[in-house]
Amino acid sequence: DAKTTQPTSMDCAEGRAANLPCNHSTISGNEYVYWYRQIHSQGPQYIIHGLKNNETNEMASLIITEDRKSSTLILPHATLRDTAVYYCIVRASGTYKYIFGTGTRLKVLA
Amino acid sequence: DVKVTQSSRYLVKRTGEKVFLECVQDMDHENMFWYRQDPGLGLRLIYFSYDVKMKEKGDIPEGYSVSREKKERFSLILESASTNQTSMYLCASNLDSYNEQFFGPGTRLTVL
Repeated sequence: DAKTTQPTSMDCAEGRAANLPCNHSTISGNEYVYWYRQIHSQGPQYIIHGLKNNETNEMASLIITEDRKSSTLILPHATLRDTAVYYCIVRASGTYKYIFGTGTRLKVLA
Repeated sequence: DVKVTQSSRYLVKRTGEKVFLECVQDMDHENMFWYRQDPGLGLRLIYFSYDVKMKEKGDIPEGYSVSREKKERFSLILESASTNQTSMYLCASNLDSYNEQFFGPGTRLTVL
């Protein structure tokens, strides 16, 4: 599985968009990009995933660059409850293994 | 909604004790996983199971064993707990390897 690089921490004002970057320059053609988040003292929660195209669901949007070497998770209107550690994971479809790095600690400020 | 439950949120045990951590999922998922999470190290896979009675070692299986006698239940066993097994233990499941994993709330185990 490809390795991912994320900033250690970020701040975002409440109500603004939070843009969380992730670099995965060694990603392979069959590897998906997954995003999870972990709110303090809880288990990780799935957010979104994608292969090539941009994806959107009720929680977030995922923008993947054309060369697929990086991606951005967008929380369109961050709230205080979005304060969490966000993990970007790359894995091949059909494999069991997720490799969680240390993620980005997002703090949403009132 | 998928629900993954773990038997305890907090557990304190003594060195040398046998420890059982239980995980139950209610969505008929094929795969179940045990991770441990430590500061600065992220989540590390201990064991996973892709079917009843089937198991595979993850990255750090030493000192642990697992049991999956029923599809919905996956147990992590510490045969003889040691202080370096003090950690947050997370259970997860997914329908199959093409789908996202759903995590339980975690068990914070302290071994004294």
